[in-house]
Amino acid sequence: EAGVAQSPRYKIIEKRQSVAFWCNPISGHATLYWYQQILGQGPKLLIQFQNNGVVDDSQLPKDRFSAERLKGVDSTLKIQPAKLEDSAVYLCASSLNPGVAGELFFGEGSRLTVL
Amino acid sequence: AQRVTQPEKLLSVFKGAPVELKCNYSYSGSPELFWYVQYSRQRLQLLLRHISRESIKGFTADLNKGETSFHLKKPFAQEEDSAMYYCALRGDSSYKLIFGSGTRLLVRP
Repeated sequence: EAGVAQSPRYKIIEKRQSVAFWCNPISGHATLYWYQQILGQGPKLLIQFQNNGVVDDSQLPKDRFSAERLKGVDSTLKIQPAKLEDSAVYLCASSLNPGVAGELFFGEGSRLTVL
Repeated sequence: AQRVTQPEKLLSVFKGAPVELKCNYSYSGSPELFWYVQYSRQRLQLLLRHISRESIKGFTADLNKGETSFHLKKPFAQEEDSAMYYCALRGDSSYKLIFGSGTRLLVRP
């Protein structure tokens, strides 16, 4: 079974530039999550989709971050403009059904460095 | 508000010694608790969940609602247990999974 795919794995940009991350969840997984993991901290949920609808985006900095999940499959997370404090690993995860057992399957992450 | 606290950033033990990774939570309802693990150069993955009451790779964790804790234990640590361990909570009113800051377990030979 193919896992959660993310790209790019690494990205270096200057502040005020924009960046986009892509995620392809495990086939059939209705729920998709984007987490931000800053060095030395645990993953912080940015946004959660159920199919193509947003379930929770309470911690997404909406003035600069946006995410979409068209057709309920792939998802894109965008940052525009980036700030130094956005340097982090962006983790995508998916689950079959959030109400069942709570197991999330994570991708390898996209490491962003903002200079 | 949901909150997970892992007080230790690093726990270093010798091979064969017992291990206890601490996790405390704050939640007013009925939580579901999980332990996730990230081995070097691997993805974050589920280790165990409290509702299953299972033992995975020799690890167990018991939910103590009185002390609001979900400590991870193993009687005899192995070198391959070296990894980052994250405690996570999901409340009964939301499917949001909240993670603690993690504890790095280092098992020395």
